[in-house]
Amino acid sequence: TQLLEQSPQFLSIQEGENLTVYCNSSSVFSSLQWYRQEPGEGPVLLVTVVTGGEVKKLKRLTFQFGDARKDSSLHITAAQPGDTGLYLCAGGGDGGSQGNLIFGKGTKLSVKP
Amino acid sequence: GAGVSQTPSNKVTEKGKYVELRCDPISGHTALYWYRQSLGQGPEFLIYFQGTGAADDSGLPNDRFFAVRPEGSVSTLKIQRTERGDSAVYLCASSFGQYNEQFFGPGTRLTVL
Repeated sequence: TQLLEQSPQFLSIQEGENLTVYCNSSSVFSSLQWYRQEPGEGPVLLVTVVTGGEVKKLKRLTFQFGDARKDSSLHITAAQPGDTGLYLCAGGGDGGSQGNLIFGKGTKLSVKP
Repeated sequence: GAGVSQTPSNKVTEKGKYVELRCDPISGHTALYWYRQSLGQGPEFLIYFQGTGAADDSGLPNDRFFAVRPEGSVSTLKIQRTERGDSAVYLCASSFGQYNEQFFGPGTRLTVL
C-alpha cells in the first residue's frame, strides 16, 4: 500500500510565526500536489511540483519536492489567521496510478491572532 | 458559478437503505473522480471516469458501491445496503484530462444511522 505520511497532524501557532509541514512516502510520485481545505468545502489546489528538487513559491508559501520525488515540504512564513485550514499533500502517477491521487491525512493548522 | 456541484449536500439514511449521490462536473471536463473522506482523514480515491467509462474503479471498497456516468457528464455514486461505516463526506472532482488539475466539489456528507 502506497502511503503519504504528513506531519505534524495538528499545529496551533500565533500570528507571525513560521511553520513547516512535511509529507513523506516510501513510493516515488511523478507529481506532488498541495491542497488547502476549509470546513464544508472540497480541497483547493495550491501548487503542483513535478521535478525532483523543485522549489515553488506562492507569496508566503514555499513548496519543495525532494530529490528522489518521495517527499515534500510546505513552509509558511509569517503565518496569518487566514492561513488556518487543513493542508493536504497528494501524490499522482507512479505511486498513484493514472489520474487518481493518493492523499495524506492532512495537517490541521490553526493560526491565532 | 461554473464549479463542480454535488447534491444533496447532506444525506441522512438508515442502515440497510440505498442512496444515490450526484455530481455535476465542470462543463467540458472529460475526467471525473469520486473520493471518500472520513473524519480526520484525507480523501481516499474510489473511482475515476474518462468520458462514460470507468477507467479505474480499484478504490471501490466492495460491490455495494457502484458509479455511473452514462452521458460523460453527470455522475451518480450508488451505495446499496448502507452500513454505518459508510458515513463520510463523498467528494467529486473533475478535470480536463487525467493528468490535469482536479477541481473538487463541496462534497456530500452521508450519515448512516
